[in-house]
Amino acid sequence: DTGVSQNPRHKITKRGQNVTFRCDPISEHNRLYWYRQTLGQGPEFLTYFQNEAQLEKSRLLSDRFSAERPKGSFSTLEIQRTEQGDSAMYLCASSRTAATNEKLFFGSGTQLSVL
Amino acid sequence: AQSVTQLDSHVSVSEGTPVLLRCNYSSSYSPSLFWYVQHPNKGLQLLLKYTSAATLVKGINGFEAEFKKSETSFHLTKPSAHMSDAAEYFCVVSGGATNKLIFGTGTLLAVQP
Repeated sequence: DTGVSQNPRHKITKRGQNVTFRCDPISEHNRLYWYRQTLGQGPEFLTYFQNEAQLEKSRLLSDRFSAERPKGSFSTLEIQRTEQGDSAMYLCASSRTAATNEKLFFGSGTQLSVL
Repeated sequence: AQSVTQLDSHVSVSEGTPVLLRCNYSSSYSPSLFWYVQHPNKGLQLLLKYTSAATLVKGINGFEAEFKKSETSFHLTKPSAHMSDAAEYFCVVSGGATNKLIFGTGTLLAVQP
């Protein structure tokens, strides 16, 4: 497999601007997850998709955040009206099935800096 | 609810000496437990996973972990550290039916020459 791909690798934006990140999962992986990681912390779950359906959203995901996976392939995560507290590494992961012990494959992440 | 606690935020060992990274878990049912490693500027990589088949789990790069239900622990060990093992290690529990992973806060492993 070619791995999970995330773009861009880095994003610097000014407070109040909108940003969008893209994740391309491993081909034919049904599950896609978004996580957020801040310095010195483990990744925190944001949301996940089973094919194109968004099945769960964390309460960390305020109404400024929206995620889509329109055709059950790639996914986008948009943050509107960014705040400095949104600065973090945004990680995408995919898995082949929904099994509870299924291995997740992570991308290298998008590092967001909000000035 | 499921959670994991990593007992050490930093561990430093000398090359060639054993590694022990400690993790305690809390789960309302039989958990799936994982250890992931994160090298700088690289994605998270699965080291090993426990899924109730065997209490001693062997992973990649010589790492292994033992599931101890009585102690609610899942400590990660390696007999002999290598410089390339320097990284951040996360103990993870699966959050039930969604397979949502719940990460610990991480242990930064430093390996001294």
